[in-house]
Amino acid sequence: SQKIEQNSEALNIQEGKTATLTCNYTNYSPAYLQWYRQDPGRGPVFLLLIRENEKEKRKERLKVTFDTTLKQSLFHITASQPADSATYLCALHNYGQNFVFGPGTRLSVLP
Amino acid sequence: EADIYQTPRYLVIGTGKKITLECSQTMGHDKMYWYQQDPGMELHLIHYSYGVNSTEKGDLSSESTVSRIRTEHFPLTLESARPSHTSQYLCASMRGSGELFFGEGSRLTVL
Repeated sequence: SQKIEQNSEALNIQEGKTATLTCNYTNYSPAYLQWYRQDPGRGPVFLLLIRENEKEKRKERLKVTFDTTLKQSLFHITASQPADSATYLCALHNYGQNFVFGPGTRLSVLP
Repeated sequence: EADIYQTPRYLVIGTGKKITLECSQTMGHDKMYWYQQDPGMELHLIHYSYGVNSTEKGDLSSESTVSRIRTEHFPLTLESARPSHTSQYLCASMRGSGELFFGEGSRLTVL
């Protein structure tokens, strides 16, 4: 069956360190993969999109990698700040199908 | 800032009432979606539309219905609310390049 897994339900890191979040999937062939940020009680906010033929994308302190052989995406936040504390969702988009979201990882950046 | 709006943000109603959750976007996007999300859980697609007069059911069975008479408007209706419908409902539209823009959500409580 198709499945998306994101690493631990919660991740605590110290301010200034790099946070690395993992998204693994099985039985999908995504055309592209996206990362979203969701704050409590709010709708998700789009962060980055990476296509199947791309290995890496960067935006300011954010970096996403996409390995279609390993069926994995890594999401990095460098020089993390307490304001980065939120839940981060990965989402896959298969060809001809709709988005499927992972369960999310709740990141806490401790001052 | 994404121009997608949901009303009401919060709604508490009694069992058996009919409710309509409104969703409007001013970006001219053809593709629109309704997701259901329980606290701390993943998003589940309940309805989607690829344009005017197009509506489809999503992956999660839902007793709600939707309509798409105008591009900018995608309301969701529950004919007879039950406590099991208590959840957060998120509306989204998709830009041509693939990003989803979400509204702030409607949190529904059915007593």
